[in-house]
Amino acid sequence: EPEVTQTPSHQVTQMGQEVILRCVPISNHLYFYWYRQILGQKVEFLVSFYNNEISEKSEIFDDQFSVERPDGSNFTLKIRSTKLEDSAMYFCATAPYNEQFFGPGTRLTVL
Amino acid sequence: QKEVEQDPGPLSVPEGAIVSLNCTYSNSAFQYFMWYRQYSRKGPELLMYTYSSGNKEDGRFTAQVDKSSKYISLFIRDSQPSDSATYLCASSIQGAQKLVFGQGTRLTINP
Repeated sequence: EPEVTQTPSHQVTQMGQEVILRCVPISNHLYFYWYRQILGQKVEFLVSFYNNEISEKSEIFDDQFSVERPDGSNFTLKIRSTKLEDSAMYFCATAPYNEQFFGPGTRLTVL
Repeated sequence: QKEVEQDPGPLSVPEGAIVSLNCTYSNSAFQYFMWYRQYSRKGPELLMYTYSSGNKEDGRFTAQVDKSSKYISLFIRDSQPSDSATYLCASSIQGAQKLVFGQGTRLTINP
């Protein structure tokens, strides 16, 4: 059964550094999302992406964040100048339309 | 007021019991309702997806939506120790739009 994959599984970075989180969507899916989950808290929406552009973004998704689909297969989330409070699990989700399927997540630790 | 509310538990039941998990929501515009299962430090796994009010059954799982009372339920019959996980409800207004998650209910099935 096709799955969403994410790399790396765990990323440790120093405050102020840039990180890129990668996702490989399920092949026939058209809608892509990033969510995050701070330890012990709810899963929170960050951004949705369709037809090579952002379709919706949350208040969290400020100028520090960007997304792109650089090669038509990978879907990436870039976080510039990381902060301590960016430490969380970051989940990629993809959908053919309504049903969103989540990847295993990348645990980001900012020191 | 939180958009989707869910009792975080923990909920502990004996193997074989019927489990009832519930969420309430405040946004009457929500039309799509999903239940996810999340094992510790893993990505959410889609269990059930329903549109508008009504029931949907899939094996041991039944999802119910009552839009008049803004109440979402998931029933698990013949519960198994492998069902032990955190269960997340989520809603969206339109298909392919962002999901708004509840806090999650931590469930333990005791052998």
